[in-house]
Amino acid sequence: QVQLQESGPGVVEPSGTLSLTCAVSGGSITSINWWTWVRQPPGKGLEWIGEIYHTGSTNYNPSLRSRVTISVDKSKNQFSLKVTSLTAADTAIYYCARWADYGGNPYDYWGHGTLVTVSS
Amino acid sequence: QSVLTQPPSVSGAPGQRVIIYCTGSRSNIGAGYDVHWYQQVLGTAPKLLIFGNTNRPSGVPDRFSGSKSGTSASLAITGLQAEDEADYYCQSYDNRLSGRLFGGGTKVTVL
Repeated sequence: QVQLQESGPGVVEPSGTLSLTCAVSGGSITSINWWTWVRQPPGKGLEWIGEIYHTGSTNYNPSLRSRVTISVDKSKNQFSLKVTSLTAADTAIYYCARWADYGGNPYDYWGHGTLVTVSS
Repeated sequence: QSVLTQPPSVSGAPGQRVIIYCTGSRSNIGAGYDVHWYQQVLGTAPKLLIFGNTNRPSGVPDRFSGSKSGTSASLAITGLQAEDEADYYCQSYDNRLSGRLFGGGTKVTVL
């Protein structure tokens, strides 16, 4: 059973940089899956941030591309998210998820999510 | 404003059938990309409910069913139960945006 666990600071300052990590257990990050970040502002819907394959190939949401970097650490079986130039609009629950290798590639495993608040 | 449009809310009495529509365009659902549905109970992470337009993962009750036609998809819940009260999101890919996207979400209320 694959499990994903997000970790990172709960509060970050405006104009600063957010760094989150998603640890993968019960499976290898070098499997034929893409690994994804999704966020959800309080009381609002889901927003796709971007995704990475273990080779380092990435795809990003065009609306966030200039501020987002996703990377992978195969030695630690984890992947990470960085978001720069933070504003209050970046306050959200951040989820990591696995892109399944079947059935049109849905997100079949999700982390529990971590709330990040942008505030001074 | 989401590229995939869902009604903000639907409601029904226990035992009834409700349908949630997800309306897209020729650059996403209409281009043939699969639609997936997720259920999000308050305070928890989304859970995969339907994948590849019509398929249910193991463990999902057969009360949930999905379909797709043209530029739209739908999720039907038959025999509505109190535990079905949650937010539901459709998800697909858009070749004009070159990215994945979610619908705005629909809150299902069991009366």
